[in-house]
Amino acid sequence: SAVISQKPSRDICQRGTSLTIQCQVDSQVTMMFWYRQQPGQSLTLIATANQGSEATYESGFVIDKFPISRPNLTFSTLTVSNMSPEDSSIYLCSVEEGARGSSYNEQFFGPGTRLTVL
Amino acid sequence: GIQVEQSPPDLILQEGANSTLRCNFSDSVNNLQWFHQNPWGQLINLFYIPSGTKQNGRLSATTVATERYSLLYISSSQTTDSGVYFCAVEGRTSYGKLTFGQGTILTVHP
Repeated sequence: SAVISQKPSRDICQRGTSLTIQCQVDSQVTMMFWYRQQPGQSLTLIATANQGSEATYESGFVIDKFPISRPNLTFSTLTVSNMSPEDSSIYLCSVEEGARGSSYNEQFFGPGTRLTVL
Repeated sequence: GIQVEQSPPDLILQEGANSTLRCNFSDSVNNLQWFHQNPWGQLINLFYIPSGTKQNGRLSATTVATERYSLLYISSSQTTDSGVYFCAVEGRTSYGKLTFGQGTILTVHP
């Protein structure tokens, strides 16, 4: 399975500032995803990041608040902009193994970035 | 969109006991996965099981796609099994996007 790393692993930030989270994969993957897990909650998809195209955002998430870059097939960044305490969450990236349209499409997750906004 | 319901929400066991966690989903799926989230927040892949039955040590899982449910069995539970268990599905037209259930919080006491 793919090995996924995220930086930073955790951070404490002041409201109004921005934080960029990096996701690095040890193999080339077509589809990468960013999820948010608010305290005590389940995971919610923020956006899908495919190389060479604009990220696709889910309902309730907008590009101005969560800009995403996907410069190549092994790397992506998520920025949490103009942060407020409500943005305190674990942010996780995931990748899909297996070609889209094949019978195998397992997803693997990075270790997460634990963000606290004061 | 597709709905995912997990039960029970909480489960407390003594070490050595067996348990069954359930995941119901509202529509046909391309993918169904079970994860264990450890206390540090890491999601551990347990099973990729859109249909059929799989076993891995003390854990096994069964998905009955036609009836839209999946079961995760934990036998001879250990304290290290504690954590949150998530079921996540990819709907037929979701193109890789996973929808997660609310999870089952498992606590195993020595």
